[in-house]
Amino acid sequence: GESVGLHLPTLSVQEGDNSIINCAYSNSASDYFIWYKQESGKGPQFIIDIRSNMDKRQGQRVTVLLNKTVKHLSLQIAATQPGDSAVYFCAENAGNMLTFGGGTRLMVKP
Amino acid sequence: DGGITQSPKYLFRKEGQNVTLSCEQNLNHDAMYWYRQDPGQGLRLIYYSQIVNDFQKGDIAEGYSVSREKKESFPLTVTSAQKNPTAFYLCASAWNNQPQHFGDGTRLSIL
Repeated sequence: GESVGLHLPTLSVQEGDNSIINCAYSNSASDYFIWYKQESGKGPQFIIDIRSNMDKRQGQRVTVLLNKTVKHLSLQIAATQPGDSAVYFCAENAGNMLTFGGGTRLMVKP
Repeated sequence: DGGITQSPKYLFRKEGQNVTLSCEQNLNHDAMYWYRQDPGQGLRLIYYSQIVNDFQKGDIAEGYSVSREKKESFPLTVTSAQKNPTAFYLCASAWNNQPQHFGDGTRLSIL
């Protein structure tokens, strides 16, 4: 079936550097995407979302880019901090239903 | 303070026993969901409910049951038919195609 997946299972970055987490999706009809952050032992926490009528959206230290041509989205975290260490999931949202990718673990080195 | 509350945080099940996981939300959301997460994996949908007194099977419903008698409550029962119940269970709610809000999960283990 249709799926949302991630390129890299683990990403290790130096504190203060920028992080980029990538996600590919296969359903060309998808029009709404969400990034979640999950810390150990906790539930996923909403970070940022983007609809298909946009190709970029910015939040506080985070930016999501959407490339509909190649069905790819990315999450950029500026000035990565130790508190950013977590697993990040992209998800496709359609009609209140989420399809999750497998997740990328971000490790921040001091 | 609005949110989703899951209880208990840790739960142990004996062989042949049914156990029920609680999920309560005070966000006034119509839709509620149950997911299962295995170590190092993503989330898989067990059951969902778009409105009170109605619910639908997700991708891995076998061995589980739910009820939705009240808008704010969506309990999940893990039955003895679920032969591999050890996992992290997450409940979520949503409204009007907005992002789902998640609880902090229940970790279920077998004794």
